[in-house]
Amino acid sequence: QVQLQESGPGLVKPSETLSLTCTVSGGSVSSDTDYWTWIRQPPGKGLEWIGYLYDSGRTNYNPSLKSRLAMSLDTSKNQFSLNLTSATAADTAVYYCARAKPMLGHLDSWGQGKLVTVSS
Amino acid sequence: DIQMTQFPFALSASVGDRVTITCRASQSIASFLNWYQQKPGQAPKVLIYVASNLQSGVPSRFSGSGSGTDYTLTISSLQPEDVGTYFCQQSYNTPRTFGQGTRVEIK
Repeated sequence: QVQLQESGPGLVKPSETLSLTCTVSGGSVSSDTDYWTWIRQPPGKGLEWIGYLYDSGRTNYNPSLKSRLAMSLDTSKNQFSLNLTSATAADTAVYYCARAKPMLGHLDSWGQGKLVTVSS
Repeated sequence: DIQMTQFPFALSASVGDRVTITCRASQSIASFLNWYQQKPGQAPKVLIYVASNLQSGVPSRFSGSGSGTDYTLTISSLQPEDVGTYFCQQSYNTPRTFGQGTRVEIK
């Protein structure tokens, strides 16, 4: 049973970079049968797909965030990370990391979520 | 991007009632439609994948159907623990997109 856990600062200043890490246990971020995904949910709102990592480091980003987004894998720590530059209040959300199955696309394991607030 | 429209926005039903939630895609998504349940303060949990496949461990009162652009999630007999918000998601292409959610309450 794969488990995921988000970590990182809960408060980010406007214009700074929002950085989060997801630690995976019970599975491997090097797996070529899993897509390591970030999703966010602004308070009281719906879910937004941010993007995923696959095939040992290839990426697929949401075009709406692509210009500010970078994701990476750290296979030595079995982690994957999210960096979102030039943060604004609109980036305030609960950020989830999750595992998606490549062929079918559903998200079958999720972290508990990390609230990140962008505020001065 | 594929737009996903869910309805109703919210519903209130009695324990034991049959509940149906609908999700419509802006184009055909060839059954690549997944349903999630989110309880307050928790991460979403997948219930149904690829339109009609029950995720392991999910009670059999949950079922999914549909094709093309129109899909439904049915709870055959609503239970108190089913309170929460339900989201559909298309995995036909990227960016993946979600419906806006349906809040389910007990009357």
